[in-house]
Amino acid sequence: EAGVAQSPRYKIIEKRQSVAFWCNPISGHATLYWYQQILGQGPKLLIQFQNNGVVDDSQLPKDRFSAERLKGVDSTLKIQPAKLEDSAVYLCASAVGGDTQYFGPGTRLTVL
Amino acid sequence: GEDVEQSLFLSVREGDSSVINCTYTDSSSTYLYWYKQEPGAGLQLLTYIFSNMDMKQDQRLTVLLNKKDKHLSLRIADTQTGDSAIYFCAEKRDNTGKLIFGQGTTLQVKP
Repeated sequence: EAGVAQSPRYKIIEKRQSVAFWCNPISGHATLYWYQQILGQGPKLLIQFQNNGVVDDSQLPKDRFSAERLKGVDSTLKIQPAKLEDSAVYLCASAVGGDTQYFGPGTRLTVL
Repeated sequence: GEDVEQSLFLSVREGDSSVINCTYTDSSSTYLYWYKQEPGAGLQLLTYIFSNMDMKQDQRLTVLLNKKDKHLSLRIADTQTGDSAIYFCAEKRDNTGKLIFGQGTTLQVKP
């Protein structure tokens, strides 16, 4: 069974630029999560989707971050404009309902 | 508060047992998880325990849960150099599946 796929693996941008990350969950997993992991910390939930609907986006900085999962499968997370403090690893995870989450390899973002 | 607490660093010798500790805050948490993160990689699920259990064993891994003290531990028997990584505990608080993670414990295994 293929795992959670994410791209790109690494991205370096300058502050105030825009960036987008892509996630393809495990086949059949209706629930998809985006986490932000700042260096030296544990992951923190940004947004949770159930199929193509948002379940929880209370921790998403909506003035600059947006996410969508239009067809209930793939998802994109966008940052516009990026700030220095957005430097982190962005992890995507998927699950069957609210069960055990399986994580992708992450995208490491560096904002200069 | 929302914090899940872990000690930051543990160093052991190859062949010894490692014990990584975690305290959580929500007594209504249903599941508690241990994930492993190697450098440059995502999180790999190691094991989990349901909140009505006290102990779970899976090969070299033993999870102990003390609900009264809200304390979770992960014991790795016969620790190998390949076990060197960051270990995260996480609690699942509600049926949405949202996980609250600790800050991670770096395990260093010396040959």
